[in-house]
Amino acid sequence: LAKTTQPISMDSYEGQEVNITCSHNNIATNDYITWYQQFPSQGPRFIIQGYKTKVTNEVASLFIPADRKSSTLSLPRVSLSDTAVYYCLVGGDSSNTGKLIFGQGTTLQVKP
Amino acid sequence: DAGVIQSPRHEVTEMGQEVTLRCKPISGHNSLFWYRQTMMRGLELLIYFNNNVPIDDSGMPEDRFSAKMPNASFSTLKIQPSEPRDSAVYFCASRDSLDYGYTFGSGTRLTVV
Repeated sequence: LAKTTQPISMDSYEGQEVNITCSHNNIATNDYITWYQQFPSQGPRFIIQGYKTKVTNEVASLFIPADRKSSTLSLPRVSLSDTAVYYCLVGGDSSNTGKLIFGQGTTLQVKP
Repeated sequence: DAGVIQSPRHEVTEMGQEVTLRCKPISGHNSLFWYRQTMMRGLELLIYFNNNVPIDDSGMPEDRFSAKMPNASFSTLKIQPSEPRDSAVYFCASRDSLDYGYTFGSGTRLTVV
């Protein structure tokens, strides 16, 4: 499974756009990139998944360059409630029921 | 759907006692995963099942840990005997092979004193 590297922590202010970048230099051809969000005392929650280029949903956007060695999660106009740990994971294809390995994640602190 | 249901939410037990954590996956999901989370080690995958069959238990710390999935709607994680270093939050997650993401339960916070 490809190893991921992301910043340990980030600070932002309400209303700003937040971009969290994840490096995954050893990503395999059939690997997808998935991001999860975890609030204190809760289990992680799926945010978004992509393979290449750009994916957007109601929560976030995911930008993946052509070489797929990194990805950027973009959260538009964050609020205090977006304070959480964000995990970048790489592995399996979208129909694979194989395991996902969580790294240390990025702790995002949104300030008023 | 009520999501992935875990019980109990909190468990405090004495060292040496047997502890059983329970999980009910989302109906129709064919994969189930047990994770453990601590401040020091983060989220660790312990074991996962596909169609009720254990596929990979390489993350199970030692023989004191065991997991079963007798049917598609129920799984248990047992620790016998429990030790203080087992104190953690244990999460269960399930997934449908046609879905993108895992759905996690709310976790069981285990404290072994």
